[in-house]
Amino acid sequence: AQSVTQPDIHITVSEGASLELRCNYSYGATPYLFWYVQSPGQGLQLLLKYFSGDTLVQGIKGFEAEFKRSQSSFNLRKPSVHWSDAAEYFCAVGARSNDYKLSFGAGTTVTVRA
Amino acid sequence: NAGVTQTPKFQVLKTGQSMTLQCAQDMNHNSMYWYRQDPGMGLRLIYYSASEGTTDKGEVPNGYNVSRLNKREFSLRLESAAPSQTSVYFCASSQPGLPTGELFFGEGSRLTVL
Repeated sequence: AQSVTQPDIHITVSEGASLELRCNYSYGATPYLFWYVQSPGQGLQLLLKYFSGDTLVQGIKGFEAEFKRSQSSFNLRKPSVHWSDAAEYFCAVGARSNDYKLSFGAGTTVTVRA
Repeated sequence: NAGVTQTPKFQVLKTGQSMTLQCAQDMNHNSMYWYRQDPGMGLRLIYYSASEGTTDKGEVPNGYNVSRLNKREFSLRLESAAPSQTSVYFCASSQPGLPTGELFFGEGSRLTVL
């Protein structure tokens, strides 16, 4: 069965500083990987996704993520955080063999301080 | 383009009452999903419908029923609500197999069971 672990429950970062959110997945074959963001009281919005090809993926809002098969990781990064990046971030994994159903991590809450 | 629309956005029930959450998508997606979101647990799949006319259990189906009314609509029913079903419920849709494959989410329905 596929699963996702987000080791960091909460991260606080200063505005303008860099941000990295960790995601580790468990799945035998090549997974489909996603990062979603949820602002307070809102639904989830896709930041970026990885299916195949270039392991460094660019997304919206200046985010990027790198797929590392050897580490079973798909970490999300942003070079310079803005106050509007304060939100909850979810990593998710899916697979064709599982009808493309997504399994989500528990989420990482990001707080941005001025 | 409305995307995924859920109703109601908020609901308070007493234990034992029943209710139905409605979901509609206008993206002509084949697959639809119901997730629940609880603090520290991410999103967990309740039921999904891979295509019109089919439904399958997800990770946490107990206490729920679903109906895929047509290609656009997928409802979630609580027959006898319990306090453990207090949660935020998200409907999502996707078109699996295409290069995208990501989920598109509604804004959520916050349910409180007293």
